[in-house]
Amino acid sequence: DAGITQSPRHKVTETGTPVTLRCHQTENHRYMYWYRQDPGHGLRLIHYSYGVKDTDKGEVSDGYSVSRSKTEDFLLTLESATSSQTSVYFCAISGGQGRSTEAFFGQGTRLTVV
Amino acid sequence: ILNVEQSPQSLHVQEGDSTNFTCSFPSSNFYALHWYRWETAKSPEALFVMTLNGDEKKKGRISATLNTKEGYSYLYIKGSQPEDSATYLCAFVRNFGNEKLTFGTGTRLTIIP
Repeated sequence: DAGITQSPRHKVTETGTPVTLRCHQTENHRYMYWYRQDPGHGLRLIHYSYGVKDTDKGEVSDGYSVSRSKTEDFLLTLESATSSQTSVYFCAISGGQGRSTEAFFGQGTRLTVV
Repeated sequence: ILNVEQSPQSLHVQEGDSTNFTCSFPSSNFYALHWYRWETAKSPEALFVMTLNGDEKKKGRISATLNTKEGYSYLYIKGSQPEDSATYLCAFVRNFGNEKLTFGTGTRLTIIP
């Protein structure tokens, strides 16, 4: 199994509070992604990173920020959590060294905003 | 926003029958098309990464084809088994060196024993 872990695995938080989810990899892969899974929408890209300190927005980035200060960690922050951000969040990594390569996914973080 | 569409949204197939479904994507600036299998309560797992027009990939009873000029890919499952029940996702990558994966909404396949 690819070395990718998400933490926490489950979180309940209150509306208006900041929340940070962590994705950690041991594969030294260049690309890291944060997706959210919602019924009827599949996986929607929130942000992705193509290197340390290099990030780009996805299709549903409003209300989220990310940071990647080292290769192995990609943090997703909900600046002020809202109920619409209740979802399952998946982190993914891929190598992409000169060619497109498969992505490996973490186990997901179930976030509930009450 | 890139438009990656999958059809049908869901499918029920009798065990032993063969089936196929479609992923449509923009044909301009194509770089790669991925297929993933996603079982309930698990994480998606890669099936194929395809980059060349006319490419065909096969893994056991599952195969995929790619037409980059018209912007579609087919996934085929031969002799469906109950363990094939899952959601099948395609993901599109536009532009070399970008590797920004945009997923379709998936086809949910249920095999009826």
